Amino acid sequence: EAGVTQFPSHSVIEKGQTVTLRCDPISGHDNLYWYRRVMGKEIKFLLHFVKESKQDESGMPNNRFLAERTGGTYSTLKVQPAELEDSGVYFCASSLRRSSYNSPLHFGNGTRLTVT
Amino acid sequence: QKEVEQNSGPLSVPEGAIASLNCTYSDRGSQSFFWYRQYSGKSPELIMFIYSNGDKEDGRFTAQLNKASQYVSLLIRDSQPSDSATYLCAVNTEIKAAGNKLTFGGGTRVLVKP
Repeated sequence: EAGVTQFPSHSVIEKGQTVTLRCDPISGHDNLYWYRRVMGKEIKFLLHFVKESKQDESGMPNNRFLAERTGGTYSTLKVQPAELEDSGVYFCASSLRRSSYNSPLHFGNGTRLTVT
Repeated sequence: QKEVEQNSGPLSVPEGAIASLNCTYSDRGSQSFFWYRQYSGKSPELIMFIYSNGDKEDGRFTAQLNKASQYVSLLIRDSQPSDSATYLCAVNTEIKAAGNKLTFGGGTRVLVKP
């Protein structure tokens, strides 16, 4: 079984540019999450999809961030325009659609974003 | 006060010894608790989850949960150099049938010395 895959693994962009991150969840996983870890901080929740619907986007920092999951398969996270404080590692995770007790999250390797 | 707190370490243990990691959380409504292991540059990898008070054992790992005291711990027996990694404590405070939104601690770095 293929795991959660993220692309690109690294991205270096200038302030003001746009970047789009992609996540392919494990096949059959309805739940898809985006998390972020900025330097020296904890991994923080950004948002949660159930299939193509946004279940919870309470962690999105501001309206420069846009996540989509058209068709309920892969997801994209676009940052436009990027700011210096957006630098960090962006993780995607997926899980089966069952209760939280027996449906743990499987994480991808993350995309390391550097905004200069 | 952080929602989930861990000692950042590094926790240095000799090979073959027991590594003991602690995690405290602030939300009494927390329902389930997870330990992830993360090697540098890699994805967090689930080691164990626990949701009932007491101990849960899986191989060399034992998770302990005490909801009254709001802490969860992880014991690693017979520590190996390959156990050297950052261990993340994560807590789920929401009961939603569809999902599993986690709050993470900052992680404890463990170094196992041969």
